[in-house]
Amino acid sequence: DTGVSQDPRHKITKRGQNVTFRCDPISEHNRLYWYRQTLGQGPEFLTYFQNEAQLEKSRLLSDRFSAERPKGSFSTLEIQRTEQGDSAMYLCASSLADGGPNTEAFFGQGTRLTVV
Amino acid sequence: GNSVTQMEGPVTLSEEAFLTINCTYTATGYPSLFWYVQYPGEGLQLLLKATKADDKGSNKGFEATYRKETTSFHLEKGSVQVSDSAVYFCALSLPGKLIFGQGTELSVKP
Repeated sequence: DTGVSQDPRHKITKRGQNVTFRCDPISEHNRLYWYRQTLGQGPEFLTYFQNEAQLEKSRLLSDRFSAERPKGSFSTLEIQRTEQGDSAMYLCASSLADGGPNTEAFFGQGTRLTVV
Repeated sequence: GNSVTQMEGPVTLSEEAFLTINCTYTATGYPSLFWYVQYPGEGLQLLLKATKADDKGSNKGFEATYRKETTSFHLEKGSVQVSDSAVYFCALSLPGKLIFGQGTELSVKP
């Protein structure tokens, strides 16, 4: 296992289009997280799953955003009717649950979305 | 609320200089604290962590001490190298998530 992988690495889309990103976590990790990072800022939490259950969603995750983890393995993040403000790096991370709050999260390289 | 504040970058140093990147936090309870590093073109990697007050995390010559009285977790290294050039993020943990600072870019010149 080579770590958390995300696909695609880059996506350019026109405003109003739908996009979907995929994340494959480290195989034995049952927690999976999505973050968004804009230029010059730190990652902001969007949502996380434990196995297939989505346990928390940030207020940042508007109704146009939906995330799934159907079999508790890979996850998808879909953005409907994209807006220019959605342009950002979308990061996925995974970890074991639960070594407690200090359990290390491993991050993928991210998907950079540009909405034109 | 819970938040992390880091010193603004970019920080530019000469090789072998001493590094300090300040990080302060606001949190309810007693979170664990982390430093993550992002090298150019790579994903975030955990650099070091501390789980309780007065703990010192260390890795690759970097150190940070969890100071509850000053709510700080400053990152230090005695002698930086060109290969340390990266963006450094301070973070605190809450159940199910990490709260990150805005990042501090470090550039080390030969």
